[in-house]
Amino acid sequence: AQSVSQHNHHVILSEAASLELGCNYSYGGTVNLFWYVQYPGQHLQLLLKYFSGDPLVKGIKGFEAEFIKSKFSFNLRKPSVQWSDTAEYFCAVKGGDKIIFGKGTRLHILP
Amino acid sequence: NAGVTQTPKFQVLKTGQSMTLQCAQDMNHNSMYWYRQDPGMGLRLIYYSASEGTTDKGEVPNGYNVSRLNKREFSLRLESAAPSQTSVYFCASSGRANSPLHFGNGTRLTVT
Repeated sequence: AQSVSQHNHHVILSEAASLELGCNYSYGGTVNLFWYVQYPGQHLQLLLKYFSGDPLVKGIKGFEAEFIKSKFSFNLRKPSVQWSDTAEYFCAVKGGDKIIFGKGTRLHILP
Repeated sequence: NAGVTQTPKFQVLKTGQSMTLQCAQDMNHNSMYWYRQDPGMGLRLIYYSASEGTTDKGEVPNGYNVSRLNKREFSLRLESAAPSQTSVYFCASSGRANSPLHFGNGTRLTVT
């Protein structure tokens, strides 16, 4: 069975700080990995995805993530956050046709 | 191009009542999914359908049934609603094997 674990439930940062949100997964086969963002009152939007090839993937709004197969990790990073990055972030794993999500990390950026 | 359409947007039920949440996509996607979102719990997969005519249980299927009516439509039924089913429900679809999910706007369900 596949599972996803997000270690940080609530993160508070000041503007211009660097961000790293942790995501670990378990699955016995080939996985596809995603990060989604949910702004207040909206549904989830795709930030970035990994399927194969270069383990460092770049997404929208300056976000990037690195797939480290040996650590079963797919951490999300951003060098300098903005107040508008305040949102909830979800890591997701696709194994076969099944897609499951982590519990999310609520990010709050102080102006 | 509407994408993924869910109805209704809001619903209030009394305990024991039944209802069906409707979902349709116009992107010719093979896979469709139902999730529920609760504070602090993320999105939890209820059921999914990899193709027309197939359905599979997700992480939290108890109390729900689904129907993949055709390639476009995937409905979620609560036969006897319980307060624990108060949640926001999202339908989503996905095309090729390596494509991301496309979400509907959600249904906010309250069971009293």
